[in-house]
Amino acid sequence: QVTLRESGPVLVKPTQTLTLTCTFSGFSLTTTGMCVSWIRQPPGKALEWLALIDWADDKYYSTSLKTRLSISKDTSKNRVVLTMTNMHPADTGTYYCARIGGVPDALYDMDVWGQGTTVTVSS
Amino acid sequence: DIQMTQSPSSLSASLGDTVTITCRASQRISTYVSWYQQKPGKAPELLIYTASILHSGVPSRFSGSGSGTDFTLTVSNLQPEDFATYYCQQSHTVPLAFGGGTKVEIK
Repeated sequence: QVTLRESGPVLVKPTQTLTLTCTFSGFSLTTTGMCVSWIRQPPGKALEWLALIDWADDKYYSTSLKTRLSISKDTSKNRVVLTMTNMHPADTGTYYCARIGGVPDALYDMDVWGQGTTVTVSS
Repeated sequence: DIQMTQSPSSLSASLGDTVTITCRASQRISTYVSWYQQKPGKAPELLIYTASILHSGVPSRFSGSGSGTDFTLTVSNLQPEDFATYYCQQSHTVPLAFGGGTKVEIK
């Protein structure tokens, strides 16, 4: 069974750096084609894709946020970490991680999602 | 970057109705579109990938079509559990992108 779980602070202050961890099981990020992606959702708003890391350690970022984002993986611990610098109240929302690579003949489809973690940016 | 424009943003329908949601990509992406369903307070769930392939366990009343830049999600015979928000996503090229969402409400 594939599961992902996000963890991190509930509250961060403006200008601080957010560090989120996605801990997963049921698959390996050393398997060709496997990726983990981060997505966020402000309250009442649409999903926004943030970043992706693949089995080869290639990293991809949202164009609008790439100067603030960093993604890394620890395959021995089955973890993916996302950091976002210079947090702003507009970054408040639910942050999800999701697996990519679990459906055949597909490219970047997110077949299993974590439950999400809510982050509030406020002083 | 590829943008996804989804319409309508919301719609009202009755049990048993058929609803159609559309998504337009800003450039041609073959059939690389996914559709997700999200219920309040829950994570999105994959419904359809590669424009028309139902993900495991998804009821056959859901269907998807399209290629190039125009895509549709159709839900036939609406059931109570289908009232939710639906998102398209281009799965062709990074950076990835979602549509703005369509909220399907009970009439």
